[in-house]
Amino acid sequence: QKEVEQDPGPLSVPEGAIVSLNCTYSNSAFQYFMWYRQYSRKGPELLMYTYSSGNKEDGRFTAQVDKSSKYISLFIRDSQPSDSATYLCAMGTGRRALTFGSGTRLQVQP
Amino acid sequence: GAVVSQHPSWVICKSGTSVKIECRSLDFQATTMFWYRQFPKQSLMLMATSNEGSKATYEQGVEKDKFLINHASLTLSTLTVTSAHPEDSSFYICSAPQRASYEQYFGPGTRLTVT
Repeated sequence: QKEVEQDPGPLSVPEGAIVSLNCTYSNSAFQYFMWYRQYSRKGPELLMYTYSSGNKEDGRFTAQVDKSSKYISLFIRDSQPSDSATYLCAMGTGRRALTFGSGTRLQVQP
Repeated sequence: GAVVSQHPSWVICKSGTSVKIECRSLDFQATTMFWYRQFPKQSLMLMATSNEGSKATYEQGVEKDKFLINHASLTLSTLTVTSAHPEDSSFYICSAPQRASYEQYFGPGTRLTVT
């Protein structure tokens, strides 16, 4: 079993839809949780960073963490074609390297 | 957010030659940097952890004599691919965590093509 599981997609939605991206993990030692967006042939861009259970909102993005269920989500409201990318969940402990999910490819259709 | 740069963004080299990739943290100091490689449509694979002032730590299966890492200062780490072969062709990305938090920022990546 992988430490972090993420549905690879691809996920195709119409413009304006609400998108839900999810990851589950098995290591209860993870202290913080991140979501990255990666466009083709580019480095990952940090979207959201959280370290506690609950919701964190930033514009159209909401990150949700449930440590008791070992489950994290990223919601994108009013999705735009420019949101089409691969979304990676990542988790970490201290200053060690992050553990990544496999990434979910999202396509927002205009 | 913090900025991490990489140079070059794209390099083509001949088999048997060496290539150096630079990773810089532009607006913060990074005692640790991480090097990843990524194949098409796959997630990032950690290669090594670069530590300022000490030897790098390599992941299992990564040849330390082939992928030389030098963390020369608090803002610069370099990855040198020695005696490159076509199978080394990949997308190489570095990241650095900020000191004040655990947020990690990635460079834009370097695409290496070995012919």
